[in-house]
Amino acid sequence: DAGVIQSPRHEVTEMGQEVTLRCKPISGHDYLFWYRQTMMRGLELLIYFNNNVPIDDSGMPEDRFSAKMPNASFSTLKIQPSEPRDSAVYFCASGPGTDTQYFGPGTRLTVL
Amino acid sequence: KQEVTQIPAALSVPEGENLVLNCSFTDSAIYNLQWFRQDPGKGLTSLLLIQSSQREQTSGRLNASLDKSSGRSTLYIAASQPGDSATYLCAVKRAMDSSYKLIFGSGTRLLVRP
Repeated sequence: DAGVIQSPRHEVTEMGQEVTLRCKPISGHDYLFWYRQTMMRGLELLIYFNNNVPIDDSGMPEDRFSAKMPNASFSTLKIQPSEPRDSAVYFCASGPGTDTQYFGPGTRLTVL
Repeated sequence: KQEVTQIPAALSVPEGENLVLNCSFTDSAIYNLQWFRQDPGKGLTSLLLIQSSQREQTSGRLNASLDKSSGRSTLYIAASQPGDSATYLCAVKRAMDSSYKLIFGSGTRLLVRP
């Protein structure tokens, strides 16, 4: 298996634009997690899914953020409109349970 | 509110040295604790998972201990190598929480000099 795949690896956009981050989990994993990592706040869980259903989105910073998992092999994290403070590295992880997680390489987002 | 602290923030050691990384947490009601490794520009890789009922876990040159009562965990790396250079993060999972969530420390950036 190729592991967790994220795209794009780097994204530079201007404030106010819509940003969509994509994730393909490892096949057979029931759980999918979205994290954000910044120097100021460290690594934070934004939302996680179990069998494509969102379980806890309490980490999503505000209504500008939304996440979907239309099927077991694909998830998106959307920011609309984007702001400079959204600049961070966004990680997707998947796992057979909540204890074992395999992280993707991350998407480095820069909002100008 | 659970807070996880890692000290030191950065550490530089010569190759071959044994070293200890520290992690402390404020709420002892944890389900488990994990140590992760993060290489520059990459995601996290789980190194060791300690359940709340366990005292330590070992994998190769790595040994992690857990003392719930004092809110501390240590990661011991024996005979360090340049390839061990990375950022090491600890994370705790809350106990009896209907919703899973890992709380991460800010990490210790390790440099092993040849």
